[in-house]
Amino acid sequence: GESVGLHLPTLSVQEGDNSIINCAYSNSASDYFIWYKQESGKGPQFIIDIRSNMDKRQGQRVTVLLNKTVKHLSLQIAATQPGDSAVYFCAENMSSGYSTLTFGKGTMLLVSP
Amino acid sequence: NAGVTQTPKFRILKIGQSMTLQCTQDMNHNYMYWYRQDPGMGLKLIYYSVGAGITDKGEVPNGYNVSRSTTEDFPLRLELAAPSQTSVYFCASSWSGVGQETQYFGPGTRLLVL
Repeated sequence: GESVGLHLPTLSVQEGDNSIINCAYSNSASDYFIWYKQESGKGPQFIIDIRSNMDKRQGQRVTVLLNKTVKHLSLQIAATQPGDSAVYFCAENMSSGYSTLTFGKGTMLLVSP
Repeated sequence: NAGVTQTPKFRILKIGQSMTLQCTQDMNHNYMYWYRQDPGMGLKLIYYSVGAGITDKGEVPNGYNVSRSTTEDFPLRLELAAPSQTSVYFCASSWSGVGQETQYFGPGTRLLVL
């Protein structure tokens, strides 16, 4: 079946660096994508979303880029901080009429001081 | 608002025992969901509900049951616990499932079946 996947399981960066987390999706019918952050022992927390009619969306220190041609999604975190250390999941909405999300496996981001 | 709350936080069950995982949301959301998360994996949808009295299966419903008698509550029932059900369970809710809507997650229930 079609699914959402991630290229890198673990990303280690230094504090202050910019981080880029990648995600590939295979369902061309997906039209809504979300990035979640999950800290250890907690539930996923919404970071930013993007709809398929957009290529880029910016939030506070985060930017999501969507390339529909190659079915690729990325999350950019500027000036990464130790508090950004977490597992990041991308999720896609399958446009079935209900908001059922398909999650990727996640990427662990480790930020060293 | 408390958001989405789940109880218990942690539970150990013996094989064959049953239990109910509680989930409550105070945001008046219509849609509620149950996911399980296995170690190093993403979330898999167990069941979801689009409103009181309406539930539907997700990707991995076997071994679970749900009910939705009120807008606020969406309990998940395990009738005969099996080791394969050892996981972390997350409840989530959203205002509307039609179109594009983010989900808000509870803190999770960690379940160990021995």
